[in-house]
Amino acid sequence: DAGVIQSPRHEVTEMGQEVTLRCKPISGHNSLFWYRQTMMRGLELLIYFNNNVPIDDSGMPEDRFSAKMPNASFSTLKIQPSEPRDSAVYFCASRAREGLSYNEQFFGPGTRLTVL
Amino acid sequence: GQQLNQSPQSMFIQEGEDVSMNCTSSSIFNTWLWYKQDPGEGPVLLIALYKAGELTSNGRLTAQFGITRKDSFLNISASIPSDVGIYFCAGTTSGTYKYIFGTGTRLKVLA
Repeated sequence: DAGVIQSPRHEVTEMGQEVTLRCKPISGHNSLFWYRQTMMRGLELLIYFNNNVPIDDSGMPEDRFSAKMPNASFSTLKIQPSEPRDSAVYFCASRAREGLSYNEQFFGPGTRLTVL
Repeated sequence: GQQLNQSPQSMFIQEGEDVSMNCTSSSIFNTWLWYKQDPGEGPVLLIALYKAGELTSNGRLTAQFGITRKDSFLNISASIPSDVGIYFCAGTTSGTYKYIFGTGTRLKVLA
């Protein structure tokens, strides 16, 4: 079975440009998480969706960040305008609906973002 | 944000040696997860633990859920070069979506 799919894997952009990161969760999973990973701060939760509804976006750094989940199989994280301090690896993760593996999160391969 | 204390921060070991690492928290969890992250990749789930005292194996990996519910341990037996990577622990509680991640243990295996 396919795991969590993210695109692009790498993104290099210039300051001020809009960046859109994409995620396809594991089929049947109803929870989706966006994380940012940096050396200094480790993994930080940006936003959590449950059944396509944003439940907690308190980790979104600023209004420049926005996330959507229009359906159960797709989510986007957008940064507009991007700044050099946004450079990091962004991960999407999903979690099953119920059952024994309810607490197990599965991560995608990440998008490495570099803002020049 | 909050992070769990993992130790050691890094390890250099010889191929064939056993490895032990642990993760401690000031909070009680009812689920502990162990992940491995290779360079340029996302964390991959290795083992999930759901009961205090539980001991679970996955091949050469064995993890334990501490009895106090505030710590967990991961052991790797007979290390091989592909064990190289960063190992993260994560703790969570049922009914929440908050996962607290460890600071990571960077493992290097010398052939």
